[in-house]
Amino acid sequence: DADVTQTPRNRITKTGKRIMLECSQTKGHDRMYWYRQDPGLGLRLIYYSFDVKDINKGEISDGYSVSRQAQAKFSLSLESAIPNQTALYFCATSDSGRGLGQPQHFGDGTRLSIL
Amino acid sequence: AQSVSQHNHHVILSEAASLELGCNYSYGGTVNLFWYVQYPGQHLQLLLKYFSGDPLVKGIKGFEAEFIKSKFSFNLRKPSVQWSDTAEYFCAVNANYGGSQGNLIFGKGTKLSVKP
Repeated sequence: DADVTQTPRNRITKTGKRIMLECSQTKGHDRMYWYRQDPGLGLRLIYYSFDVKDINKGEISDGYSVSRQAQAKFSLSLESAIPNQTALYFCATSDSGRGLGQPQHFGDGTRLSIL
Repeated sequence: AQSVSQHNHHVILSEAASLELGCNYSYGGTVNLFWYVQYPGQHLQLLLKYFSGDPLVKGIKGFEAEFIKSKFSFNLRKPSVQWSDTAEYFCAVNANYGGSQGNLIFGKGTKLSVKP
């Protein structure tokens, strides 16, 4: 979905490095999410934000932090990367203004490899 | 805690075969249900959604799903698959409770391989 842009698309880095993944959206949605996808495990929620001042931990937040710099921007940081954080990371957005349970719209993903 | 179960990890079909992918969820209250598709190397795209009303939901590309509340199920169907349907399919549920409203719980996915 071109309206949800993730950078970088691919990243290879070393254990212990600090990494930031960025997500920006032009959909005007208030809610943003970070997931990681691992083979056979589906998508697991890392953090979510219902608006700029509302940040919440998801299922697997340990080792990650986030920043909601503006309604349109939501970045994910790995302060000290470790190999088991190698995964495909997706950002998603949704619109609360149209009622609960609106579908989420996904970015193209960031493939992160930690050596 | 809520959970979503997709029974088949990998399904292999020939073109024109019928498809049914199972999905069960564990929450007993009001739910919204979704099926997403992820084509190889791409992001997740919404196939269809159920919020209320007619339990038989039609989505894009000829897919449909039936919500059976008594069985906590939301199975995905397609009468005749094509090679281009090769993808991974994810069932997801959103439960309207507490502070997590709007969050989706995803199943682990079912890979569909369609042989030409």
